[in-house]
Amino acid sequence: KQEVTQIPAALSVPEGENLVLNCSFTDSAIYNLQWFRQDPGKGLTSLLLIQSSQREQTSGRLNASLDKSSGRSTLYIAASQPGDSATYLCAATNQGGKLIFGQGTELSVKP
Amino acid sequence: SAVISQKPSRDICQRGTSLTIQCQVDSQVTMMFWYRQQPGQSLTLIATANQGSEATYESGFVIDKFPISRPNLTFSTLTVSNMSPEDSSIYLCSVPQGSPRGTEAFFGQGTRLTVV
Repeated sequence: KQEVTQIPAALSVPEGENLVLNCSFTDSAIYNLQWFRQDPGKGLTSLLLIQSSQREQTSGRLNASLDKSSGRSTLYIAASQPGDSATYLCAATNQGGKLIFGQGTELSVKP
Repeated sequence: SAVISQKPSRDICQRGTSLTIQCQVDSQVTMMFWYRQQPGQSLTLIATANQGSEATYESGFVIDKFPISRPNLTFSTLTVSNMSPEDSSIYLCSVPQGSPRGTEAFFGQGTRLTVV
C-alpha cells in the first residue's frame, strides 16, 4: 500500500530565502508525482507534474525533482515571497489515476 | 486545463440531513474522483465515479453513506447522507486530463461542509 510522507509539516522563512520541501513515497511503481498548492479553505492548484520517467520539472521559481529508486521528490522554491505562503501537497499517482497524498507542508514566508 | 465547477461552495447542515454536491467539468472525461479533506488533514479518496456503471469505493467508504451519480461524461454528484459532525470536511472532485506536462489531476474549488 502506497504511503506518502512530507517533511517538514510546517516551515517559516523570511522573504527571499530559497527553500526545499520533501516528499517520500513507499511504492516506486508510480505513474507520476504531482505537487499542489492549497490556500486556506480553497481547492488545489497544480504546480508541477513529474512523469515517472522524468527526473525534474521547472516552472518559474519552482523546481521539482523525482528519484524513484529512493522514493523521494523535492520541491525547490527560489527567492520565496509572502505570496508563496500556503500548504504544499505532494501526491503519487498510481496507474488507475488515483492520487495518494502526503500530509502537506504549511509554508509561511515572512515579509 | 480542465475547468471544474463545484456547487455549493459551502454549506452548513443539520445532523441527520443529506447534502448533494455537484461537479461539472467543461469537457468529457472518463474518470472522475471524489476526495474528502477533514479539518487539518490531507486528502483521502472516497470513490471513483464511472460513467455508466456504479462507483468504486475505497476502503472505509460505503455507497449508503456516499451515494454517487455519474449520468454523463461531464457531470457527477456526491451525496453525504445522514450527516453527523464527523462529516464536516472539504469535499473535492477531481479529473485527470492531458496537459503539455502529461496526464494531470485537476481539482474543483471544493465544497466546505459544516454539520451542526
